[in-house]
Amino acid sequence: NAGVMQNPRHLVRRRGQEARLRCSPMKGHSHVYWYRQLPEEGLKFMVYLQKENIIDESGMPKERFSAEFPKEGPSILRIQQVVRGDSAAYFCASSPRGLSNTEAFFGQGTRLTVV
Amino acid sequence: TQLLEQSPQFLSIQEGENLTVYCNSSSVFSSLQWYRQEPGEGPVLLVTVVTGGEVKKLKRLTFQFGDARKDSSLHITAAQPGDTGLYLCARDTGTASKLTFGTGTRLQVTL
Repeated sequence: NAGVMQNPRHLVRRRGQEARLRCSPMKGHSHVYWYRQLPEEGLKFMVYLQKENIIDESGMPKERFSAEFPKEGPSILRIQQVVRGDSAAYFCASSPRGLSNTEAFFGQGTRLTVV
Repeated sequence: TQLLEQSPQFLSIQEGENLTVYCNSSSVFSSLQWYRQEPGEGPVLLVTVVTGGEVKKLKRLTFQFGDARKDSSLHITAAQPGDTGLYLCARDTGTASKLTFGTGTRLQVTL
């Protein structure tokens, strides 16, 4: 049973380009969470999705960022017109149901560098 | 607003020493989780504590949840280099929505 798969592991983008980060949850998991981690900091919640629906996007910037979790295929975190401040590690987690007293399994992350 | 404060932020110790790290909040948790994150990897769950006063052991790691469910501690006995990493506590919000992570304690264990 494969764990949470994120790709790419490393992504370099020039300012103004688009970044697409992919997350395939564990088999049987329909809940996906995206977190951002800046160097030497903890993880900051961005968005919570459940198949085809955004449940909570309170941690996601209103502009340039979007997320989806289609019926088929991985969850995508999309960052348009990237800026240097978007450089961070982006982690995806999945769970079989909502997170109240349920373990979340994390992927290895995508490290985005904006040059 | 940072809801979970972890201390110390950094800790460098020698192999064989004992250590304790703390996770504190001004509000009550419904449950609390501890994760360890190694460089270049995602966080891995170590334990979930739910009941006030609960103590859980995982080999050389002892986790305690405060009686009032506002704080937690992680004690490591006879630390080893393999314990090196970022230790994160996280609380859920009581809904299905998300985990809120603490600031983290970065532990370095040297030979």
